[in-house]
Amino acid sequence: KQEVTQIPAALSVPEGENLVLNCSFTDSAIYNLQWFRQDPGKGLTSLLLIQSSQREQTSGRLNASLDKSSGRSTLYIAASQPGDSATYLCAQGGSEKLVFGKGTKLTVNP
Amino acid sequence: DAGVIQSPRHEVTEMGQEVTLRCKPISGHNSLFWYRQTMMRGLELLIYFNNNVPIDDSGMPEDRFSAKMPNASFSTLKIQPSEPRDSAVYFCASSPTGGYSPLHFGNGTRLTVT
Repeated sequence: KQEVTQIPAALSVPEGENLVLNCSFTDSAIYNLQWFRQDPGKGLTSLLLIQSSQREQTSGRLNASLDKSSGRSTLYIAASQPGDSATYLCAQGGSEKLVFGKGTKLTVNP
Repeated sequence: DAGVIQSPRHEVTEMGQEVTLRCKPISGHNSLFWYRQTMMRGLELLIYFNNNVPIDDSGMPEDRFSAKMPNASFSTLKIQPSEPRDSAVYFCASSPTGGYSPLHFGNGTRLTVT
């Protein structure tokens, strides 16, 4: 059974800090790894998608990496801002569907 | 692009009543997913469709749950009869090519069964 784990469940940092969110998965037959952001009362917004043949993807202050051999992905957020406060979820694409982690709730304090 | 549209945003009902949740996917997207989110279990895939055909409904909790996609622009998730343990946020998502491309989520329906 595919499982995706995100640690820590919650993280609080001061504004301006660089931070890393972690995601681990159990299925080596991964097609892609997706990172999402969820704001309270809202749906999920896709941030980055890394194909299994790729090592990383970048968008603005966000950088996501993928290491299939170790079953890990990280989301790096540079120069964090209060507006980055949200829950970040990763999802493993094994085939046609995604399996989600429970997310890391990030709070960036001004 | 209006995004994925779900209705209603909130639903409060009594145990035993029928509940119908609705979803309009993004035009041109061939795959549609129904997820349920709770604090305890996180996001769980209930069912997904490809080209209006149900592909995998193994996540549907029991026979009280059913989903349909009569055409490419509309899907429903029905619970009959509803139970308090069904209380959760239900999300609909669509994508051009299933899990191979980014999923676009609606804002969800918060269901409360009393």
